[in-house]
Amino acid sequence: AQSVTQLDSHVSVSEGTPVLLRCNYSSSYSPSLFWYVQHPNKGLQLLLKYTSAATLVKGINGFEAEFKKSETSFHLTKPSAHMSDAAEYFCVGRGGGNKLTFGTGTQLKVEL
Amino acid sequence: DAGVIQSPRHEVTEMGQEVTLRCKPISGHDYLFWYRQTMMRGLELLIYFNNNVPIDDSGMPEDRFSAKMPNASFSTLKIQPSEPRDSAVYFCASSLPGMTGELFFGEGSRLTVL
Repeated sequence: AQSVTQLDSHVSVSEGTPVLLRCNYSSSYSPSLFWYVQHPNKGLQLLLKYTSAATLVKGINGFEAEFKKSETSFHLTKPSAHMSDAAEYFCVGRGGGNKLTFGTGTQLKVEL
Repeated sequence: DAGVIQSPRHEVTEMGQEVTLRCKPISGHDYLFWYRQTMMRGLELLIYFNNNVPIDDSGMPEDRFSAKMPNASFSTLKIQPSEPRDSAVYFCASSLPGMTGELFFGEGSRLTVL
């Protein structure tokens, strides 16, 4: 079975400082993993995806994530937070089939 | 492309009334998904279609919920009769063939059942 665990429900950073949003996965086989972002009153938008081609994945808006099989992690990072990054972020996994497993979300707050 | 279009954006209704939510997927996308989002349960997959055919409806809460996709450009999610616990944001999403991890979401329909 496929599952994803987001380790923090809320993360608060200052503008200009690094962002780290943590996600662990469990899967009986090599997963496809994704990060989505949801701004208030909006639908979810794909940030980046891992599908085994490269362990370091670059996404939109300066975000990237590294797949670490030894740690079963897929953490999302950004070197310098911007106010517009304030949103909810979802780590998502897909094992077999077409069904996705969504994490519970991490609310990112960016302060001046 | 205009993206996935959902209507209505907001719906307030009274318990017992019928609710119909609508979705127009992105042209050329052959998968369509209906999700429900609540604070308590997060995002839940209700049902998904491939080429207009329902593939998995195991997430549909009960018989009060039904979904149809009469053609490639239109889908509906109907709740009859509605109950207060159905209050949520309902999202429609679509994806290209073979790209079912890369969903394009609509902006959602916020349903409030009084």
